[in-house]
Amino acid sequence: EAGVTQFPSHSVIEKGQTVTLRCDPISGHDNLYWYRRVMGKEIKFLLHFVKESKQDESGMPNNRFLAERTGGTYSTLKVQPAELEDSGVYFCASSRRDSQTQYFGPGTRLLVL
Amino acid sequence: RKEVEQDPGPFNVPEGATVAFNCTYSNSASQSFFWYRQDCRKEPKLLMSVYSSGNEDGRFTAQLNRASQYISLLIRDSKLSDSATYLCVVNHKYDYKLSFGAGTTVTVRA
Repeated sequence: EAGVTQFPSHSVIEKGQTVTLRCDPISGHDNLYWYRRVMGKEIKFLLHFVKESKQDESGMPNNRFLAERTGGTYSTLKVQPAELEDSGVYFCASSRRDSQTQYFGPGTRLLVL
Repeated sequence: RKEVEQDPGPFNVPEGATVAFNCTYSNSASQSFFWYRQDCRKEPKLLMSVYSSGNEDGRFTAQLNRASQYISLLIRDSKLSDSATYLCVVNHKYDYKLSFGAGTTVTVRA
């Protein structure tokens, strides 16, 4: 079974630019999550999709972040415009419906200069 | 106050030693508990779930104390490959989002 994949693995952009991160969950997993780890801090929840619906977006930091999961398959997370404090590692995870076990992707390392 | 607190370590132990560490969680509504392992610059990987009665998986033993709201992990007969950061993770009864501790770093030396 293929794991969660994320693209790109690294991104370096300038403040004010836009970046779009992509996550492909494990096939058949209805639940998709985005998390973020900023330097020196713990991993924090951003949002949760169930299929194409946003179930919980309580962790999204502000309206510069937009997540979508059209069709209930892959998801994108767009940051526009990026700020310095957005730098960190963005992890995607997925799980089966009604399962508490989440499988994480390798993450996208974002650096905003 | 952080939702999940862990001793950051590092715990530096020789091969074959036993190492134990724990974490505390603040939300009494927490329902599920996990230990994840994270290698340097890699993604977190589920090590084991933690059950109320305590559970064992090979050399790893996890305990949960709901009354005191802490979770422990014990590693017996440490291997070099056990060197990693161990993340204490909880989630709540009514949602699926995970709350992470900052991690405990374990280094096993030859």
